[in-house]
Order: sequence, then C-alpha cells, then structure tokens
Amino acid sequence: AQSVAQPEDQVNVAEGNPLTVKCTYSVSGNPYLFWYVQYPNRGLQFLLKYITGDNLVKGSYGFEAEFNKSQTSFHLKKPSALVSDSALYFCAVRDEGNTGKLIFGQGTTLQVKP
Amino acid sequence: DAGVIQSPRHEVTEMGQEVTLRCKPISGHNSLFWYRQTMMRGLELLIYFNNNVPIDDSGMPEDRFSAKMPNASFSTLKIQPSEPRDSAVYFCASSLRDRGYFGEGSWLTVV
Repeated sequence: AQSVAQPEDQVNVAEGNPLTVKCTYSVSGNPYLFWYVQYPNRGLQFLLKYITGDNLVKGSYGFEAEFNKSQTSFHLKKPSALVSDSALYFCAVRDEGNTGKLIFGQGTTLQVKP
Repeated sequence: DAGVIQSPRHEVTEMGQEVTLRCKPISGHNSLFWYRQTMMRGLELLIYFNNNVPIDDSGMPEDRFSAKMPNASFSTLKIQPSEPRDSAVYFCASSLRDRGYFGEGSWLTVV
C-alpha cells in the first residue's frame, strides 16, 4: 500500500535561513508525490507535485522539492524562509489507480521566527 | 472558477441533532473526496466518489455517517445523530486526474 511519512512534527527556522521539511514515501510503482500547505483556519493549498522528469520540482511561493529515488524521499525546501511561510505542511502520495485519491502524511508545522 | 465551495463554514449543534455538510466541486472534475481533520488523528479520508459513484467508504467512522453525490455538481455528508466526538473540520476536495483542490472546510462543533 502507498504511504508517506513526515518524521518531524515541527520544524523551527529563523527568517532568511533555508528550510527543509522532510517526507519519505513507500509505493509499489512509480510515485506521484505532492506537497500541500495549510494556513490557520484555511483549507489545503497545492504547492507542487512530482510525476516524472526532473528530480527538482519548483512550486508556488518559492518552494521546491527534491525527489530522491534511492532514499525514497521528497523533501520540501526553500532557500530563504519568510515569517509568512509559517503553516502546516502535508506531503501526499497518489494512491494506486487513477481516481486522484491522495494519501497524506501527518503534517509538519513550520515555525519561522523573525 | 470559484474553486470547491463548502457550506456551512461553521456550525455549532447539539448532540443528537442531524448535521448536513454540503460541497460543490469544481466543474468538470470527476472525483470528489470528503476528509476529516482533527488534532488527534490528523487528516482522514472518509469517502470518495468517482463519476458520482462511491468508490471507497472504508474511512466512514460508523453508520451515523452517510454521504451522497446525486449529481456531478453536488455532494452531502450527513451525520445523524451527531456526537461531541464528531467535532472536527470537514474538507471536501475534487480532482480531475492528480492534484486535489480543497474547499475551505466546514468547522463543526457538537456540544
């Protein structure tokens, strides 16, 4: 069965520093991977996805993610964090089949301090 | 496009009452998902539909929960009778192929 794991409940980083939010996956075929962000009292917003192609995927708000097949990881990165990036981040993998069903990790809270 | 529209945004109800949450997916999307989010359990998939047909309802907690999708532009999630442990944020999402588009959620409090 497809699954993703986010090993950190919370990541703290100072504004201006690079940030990484970790995600590892387990799939039986080719992985379709996603990152979503949830701001307080809001729904989930799509950041980026990896389907195939370049291992470095660029997304919204300056975020990018690096797909690493050997380490089965899909870490979210940003070169310079903003206080406004503070939010809850979810990694997800598309389930087998073609219905668009996503399996989410538990989420990682990112705190960016000024 | 207006995105996925959910109503009500907030609802406070008494234990034992019926609650109906509504969702209008993005036009043209053929899959619809209902999720529940709580602090304790995170984001849980309750049920999803493909072309208006329920495909997997294994995440529905118990018989008090039911969901329908009478047509491609409308779905409901009903809880009857409601209990305090049902208090959560309920999200609806729709998709065409891969990425899901989420609504802003319905914040339910059962007292």
